[in-house]
Amino acid sequence: NAGVTQTPKFQVLKTGQSMTLQCAQDMNHEYMSWYRQDPGMGLRLIHYSVGAGITDQGEVPNGYNVSRSTTEDFPLRLLSAAPSQTSVYFCASSRGTSGRSYEQYFGPGTRLTVT
Amino acid sequence: AQSVTQLDSHVSVSEGTPVLLRCNYSSSYSPSLFWYVQHPNKGLQLLLKYTSAATLVKGINGFEAEFKKSETSFHLTKPSAHMSDAAEYFCVERGGADGLTFGKGTHLIIQP
Repeated sequence: NAGVTQTPKFQVLKTGQSMTLQCAQDMNHEYMSWYRQDPGMGLRLIHYSVGAGITDQGEVPNGYNVSRSTTEDFPLRLLSAAPSQTSVYFCASSRGTSGRSYEQYFGPGTRLTVT
Repeated sequence: AQSVTQLDSHVSVSEGTPVLLRCNYSSSYSPSLFWYVQHPNKGLQLLLKYTSAATLVKGINGFEAEFKKSETSFHLTKPSAHMSDAAEYFCVERGGADGLTFGKGTHLIIQP
């Protein structure tokens, strides 16, 4: 199993550009989520999905869109990049949500810089 | 909303001495709690998890944590620090469908 994969690893955008961060998992996990990591802030939840066709907002959703058309993929779209979106983005997945003990598996991260 | 407080942003210990990283959670119900470690420029790796079974939880690399409901704490310990333990550590609570709540992290520094 590859686990959770993310592409690209690094990206530089200009203000106003759009892009999609890709996330895929091969563990047949129901639950997938996106976090951003900023210095001194820990990780904050952007959006999450409890299954194909179902998404919901987390703590910091503004400026981001998601969709979940398949179990495996959960892309994160930046509609119009802003310098405040400079961050490291992590995708995670877990077996489900009904058991709160389920471990979340994290991807390696995408480091995004917006100039 | 739940919150997780890591009481120290930085902890520095000498190699071979004990490690204590402190964490308090806020949930009034029985929480699911985790410790994750992040080495520089790497993703997050699960160290251990508490799921309302034994209150003393053993994890990987010699780490363990004790759940204390009366103190709403879930402190992480290791008897003897190793240079390879230098990393960022996150105390995390899981709450239902809306993902994980992270503490702000503790940076562990190991002095030779």
